[in-house]
Amino acid sequence: DQQVKQNSPSLSVQEGRISILNCDYTNSMFDYFLWYKKYPAEGPTFLISISSIKDKNEDGRFTVFLNKSAKHLSLHIVPSQPGDSAVYFCAARATTSGTYKYIFGTGTRLKVLA
Amino acid sequence: NAGVTQTPKFQVLKTGQSMTLQCAQDMNHEYMSWYRQDPGMGLRLIHYSVGAGITDQGEVPNGYNVSRSTTEDFPLRLLSAAPSQTSVYFCASSYLLSAHRGRLGTEAFFGQGTRLTVV
Repeated sequence: DQQVKQNSPSLSVQEGRISILNCDYTNSMFDYFLWYKKYPAEGPTFLISISSIKDKNEDGRFTVFLNKSAKHLSLHIVPSQPGDSAVYFCAARATTSGTYKYIFGTGTRLKVLA
Repeated sequence: NAGVTQTPKFQVLKTGQSMTLQCAQDMNHEYMSWYRQDPGMGLRLIHYSVGAGITDQGEVPNGYNVSRSTTEDFPLRLLSAAPSQTSVYFCASSYLLSAHRGRLGTEAFFGQGTRLTVV
């Protein structure tokens, strides 16, 4: 049972345009959401996060939106650059009794075309 | 800054062999975890630890053992390797959520990965 879903395995965008990556989740107890970026042969690196008490967080070209009622979050990259080409994972945190687990989605491969 | 260090980077095992994947971090993070990445499956949590002497199971713990004798190290043991364990393994560490620290973000730092093939 996939609690965090990224339904688009891949996405191609022209350089300079907006990239929108989507993520859906099923567990209403998730309290924190993160996006990671992964290049081939490297470990994932943290990109941006958002608490469940907010609906938007912005960091430079990256903005994450959270719609709790729809259990949906999205990552917007504006403008997209060729160096953004990577696999993007969303992750959700489930916190219980002072500890937590991160559940990751299956990833979306973004290709930014020059 | 070393961050999270995994060894080895590549390993080929025969079915039934045992081995230990090493993970060390130098950031004094309480929380450490192991994930495996498979095509179309994303990153799946194997085991995690919230501190020395404490471990717990993740989504896919079968066939793997862990221990946490120090804050810095979190080795993953395969007792009897199977072809289904062919995967890329990532170790990650982060701060533990703490009201005293007021730290809301607990983003993880990942190692470079270990590519394991079981034949």
